[in-house]
Amino acid sequence: AQSVTQLDSHVSVSEGTPVLLRCNYSSSYSPSLFWYVQHPNKGLQLLLKYTSAATLVKGINGFEAEFKKSETSFHLTKPSAHMSDAAEYFCVVSGNNNDMRFGAGTRLTVKP
Amino acid sequence: GAGVSQSPSNKVTEKGKDVELRCDPISGHTALYWYRQSLGQGLEFLIYFQGNSAPDKSGLPSDRFSAERTGGSVSTLTIQRTQQEDSAVYLCASSLAVGVEVPYEQYFGPGTRLTVT
Repeated sequence: AQSVTQLDSHVSVSEGTPVLLRCNYSSSYSPSLFWYVQHPNKGLQLLLKYTSAATLVKGINGFEAEFKKSETSFHLTKPSAHMSDAAEYFCVVSGNNNDMRFGAGTRLTVKP
Repeated sequence: GAGVSQSPSNKVTEKGKDVELRCDPISGHTALYWYRQSLGQGLEFLIYFQGNSAPDKSGLPSDRFSAERTGGSVSTLTIQRTQQEDSAVYLCASSLAVGVEVPYEQYFGPGTRLTVT
């Protein structure tokens, strides 16, 4: 069975400063990992995905994540936060039957 | 092009009543998924369909929940004898197929907000 743990339920940063949203996963085999973003009153949107190719994955809106097997982590980062980045972020792990397990979510607040 | 659509967008029902939630996937997507998003519970996977078949129904919370898909397209999630703990946003997603080694990207609908009073 696979699962993810998002280590922070809420992260607050100032506009223009770096963003770090932490995710650790547990999987009995090579996982596929995703980050989804959910803006208020909108559906979930895929930010990026890792599927055993390059360990550093670049996504939309300047986000990227690095798969670290030794640390079982897949943290999401962005060099400079923008006000429009304020949203809920979900780390997701998927097995070979597309059974996707979502983390509890991290709410990102961006202060002006 | 059209994305995943769900109806109704909001549903308020009395405890004990049955409800039906509908999902229209993206045309051509053979895989369809149902999730539930509860306050404080995160996003919970319920069931997926490959075509009209649901290989694993163990994610459904109780036997009051059922789902079907017909014609490889529209899916309905039915909750019988609703309880207050069923209140949540029910999300549907679709993907081109169910990946064997690499999952396909899932596209999510806007959700149905269910409130049981």
